[in-house]
Amino acid sequence: DTGVSQDPRHKITKRGQNVTFRCDPISEHNRLYWYRQTLGQGPEFLTYFQNEAQLEKSRLLSDRFSAERPKGSFSTLEIQRTEQGDSAMYLCASSLLMVADTQYFGPGTRLTVL
Amino acid sequence: AQKVTQAQTEISVVEKEDVTLDCVYETRDTTYYLFWYKQPPSGELVFLIRRNSFDEQNEISGRYSWNFQKSTSSFNFTITASQVVDSAVYFCALSEATSSGSARQLTFGSGTQLTVLP
Repeated sequence: DTGVSQDPRHKITKRGQNVTFRCDPISEHNRLYWYRQTLGQGPEFLTYFQNEAQLEKSRLLSDRFSAERPKGSFSTLEIQRTEQGDSAMYLCASSLLMVADTQYFGPGTRLTVL
Repeated sequence: AQKVTQAQTEISVVEKEDVTLDCVYETRDTTYYLFWYKQPPSGELVFLIRRNSFDEQNEISGRYSWNFQKSTSSFNFTITASQVVDSAVYFCALSEATSSGSARQLTFGSGTQLTVLP
């Protein structure tokens, strides 16, 4: 099985620019999660999808953040008007909906906002 | 609200020593799931184990073992005969269960940086 993939792996941008990240889940996994991890901390939940429906969003997800999963396969996370505080590792995870499902993580996209 | 506490920020041991990583959790739910993940320097979170709240049996997998105690809300992880390759950040995580039994989003602890010296 191919694991979760994320693109790009690294992104450097200037404050105020928009950025978009992509996540490809494990094939046939119908749940997809986005997390954010800052240095020295554990990942924090941002949002998740079941198929193409976005079922939950964290209060961490400000109006500048938007996520989509248009066909229930890959997902994109867009950050508009980036701020220095957005610098973090953005992690994607996927799981197969079942009792006690387990999330498998991708390698992450490291965002640096200058 | 859920919370996971990993009080040990950093642990350093010499190769072949045993080491235990502590995890204490808080939840109001009666059904929940506990996880351990490993994050090596490469950055990718690697799943190690999942435990269901109704199953308090301890588990052993090679050099790894896990001790789940509901009475103290703890889910500790022990590495026996540690190796340099075990050096990583280890995260404990908690997930509530939905009405159908599937897991929800994960709440992570802040992690324990384990360094195994040769």
